[in-house]
Amino acid sequence: GAGVSQTPSNKVTEKGKYVELRCDPISGHTALYWYRQSLGQGPEFLIYFQGTGAADDSGLPNDRFFAVRPEGSVSTLKIQRTERGDSAVYLCASSARVFPYNEQFFGPGTRLTVL
Amino acid sequence: KQEVTQIPAALSVPEGENLVLNCSFTDSAIYNLQWFRQDPGKGLTSLLLIQSSQREQTSGRLNASLDKSSGRSTLYIAASQPGDSATYLCAINNAGNMLTFGGGTRLMVKP
Repeated sequence: GAGVSQTPSNKVTEKGKYVELRCDPISGHTALYWYRQSLGQGPEFLIYFQGTGAADDSGLPNDRFFAVRPEGSVSTLKIQRTERGDSAVYLCASSARVFPYNEQFFGPGTRLTVL
Repeated sequence: KQEVTQIPAALSVPEGENLVLNCSFTDSAIYNLQWFRQDPGKGLTSLLLIQSSQREQTSGRLNASLDKSSGRSTLYIAASQPGDSATYLCAINNAGNMLTFGGGTRLMVKP
C-alpha cells in the first residue's frame, strides 16, 4: 500500500515569504506527526495530531509556525515570514495509534531552503 | 526531559564484520524504542520497534536489545554488507506519541 507522501520534495523561498508543506499520511492512520531535521542531526518533534486536533504542539519553535489537519487526514505545515534558520528537512510521520504500539512511519520529507 | 545519545557518531567497517551501534537514554519510563535507517537525502525507514516490556527484537540480520534499567539499547548488525551503509537513528517514545531522537550513527561498510 501507499506510504506517507509529502509535497513538495524541495522548496526554495526567499526570506520573509510564506510557505506551506503538505503531508498525506497512510490511509486509516489517525495520528500524524511533524518533525524537523537539520543537517547532521536527528529529527526534532514539532507537532502531533490525533484526528483533527493538535494534541501536542509543544515543539513548534514560535508563532510563525502553524499546522492544520481539517479533515483528519492530510495535514499542512505553514510557516510565515520565513527566516534562513528555518532551512531544514521537514518530515511527516503517521501511526495507527494502537496504543502503545504506535509505530511511526515516515515520509520522504520536504527540503526547505530559505535564501 | 528525555535525552538520547548515540555512540559512535560515525563508524567505518570492512564488509562481513558484525557490528554494534549504541543508544543511551536518560529517562527509563519509556513506551517503546524504534531503530530507523536513513539513506542520504531520504526519509526514515523503520527497522525495529521494541516495546517497553520486551528485551529484544530480531529482523533478518538485525537484532535490537533494550535494557531500560540502564537506559541502553543496542542494534546488532550481522555480516555487514555495503548496502547497509546509511545513518542509523534511535528514537524513544516516552508518552505514547512524539519520538525523541538521538543524533544518529553514520555507518560505512567498505567492500
